[in-house]
Amino acid sequence: GENVEQHPSTLSVQEGDSAVIKCTYSDSASNYFPWYKQELGKGPQLIIDIRSNVGEKKDQRIAVTLNKTAKHFSLHITETQPEDSAVYFCALRTGTASKLTFGTGTRLQVTL
Amino acid sequence: EAGVAQSPRYKIIEKRQSVAFWCNPISGHATLYWYQQILGQGPKLLIQFQNNGVVDDSQLPKDRFSAERLKGVDSTLKIQPAKLEDSAVYLCASSSMWAGGNNSPLHFGNGTRLTVT
Repeated sequence: GENVEQHPSTLSVQEGDSAVIKCTYSDSASNYFPWYKQELGKGPQLIIDIRSNVGEKKDQRIAVTLNKTAKHFSLHITETQPEDSAVYFCALRTGTASKLTFGTGTRLQVTL
Repeated sequence: EAGVAQSPRYKIIEKRQSVAFWCNPISGHATLYWYQQILGQGPKLLIQFQNNGVVDDSQLPKDRFSAERLKGVDSTLKIQPAKLEDSAVYLCASSSMWAGGNNSPLHFGNGTRLTVT
């Protein structure tokens, strides 16, 4: 099946700094790339997504970039706040299948 | 709109016992998924339903796991008999997309945390 590599596994930043998480994939038929935030004791929550015909998408402090040639996509969080502390997962869809394949997660800690 | 509802929130059983989880998807969502999330890992798909039919159960350990979605709405996931390695969070998700479409996001419930001792 499709594999998604996610790095780093943990990330600690100071409040106000930027955070970047990167995922790489191998199947060029992958066409939808969402990012989920998971807080303790809760299910993953969609925070932003991008489709294969778009290179970048931004929503306030969050942005996602996609490089189809290199087969990687990244989550960028600017002006980080303590409430951004959580585990972030990248995911993707391939072909016409609707299921998502998830990365291994990045634990982001924003310190004061 | 109400989110995906799951119950129970927590379950502790001994190995070789059986357990069942329940999921009520978002109203009108045709597609329902069960994911298994082992501590420290990303969710892994167990089974996907389109209405009341199975679309993908290739990763479901069918010797011990079973799932059904009667009437294309609620779903139950059962484990019998449970093993220690089944300890995980079982997440239910739903989406409004139809087979072959790819524009609808997945919405997750808060999961059931299973501990097998």
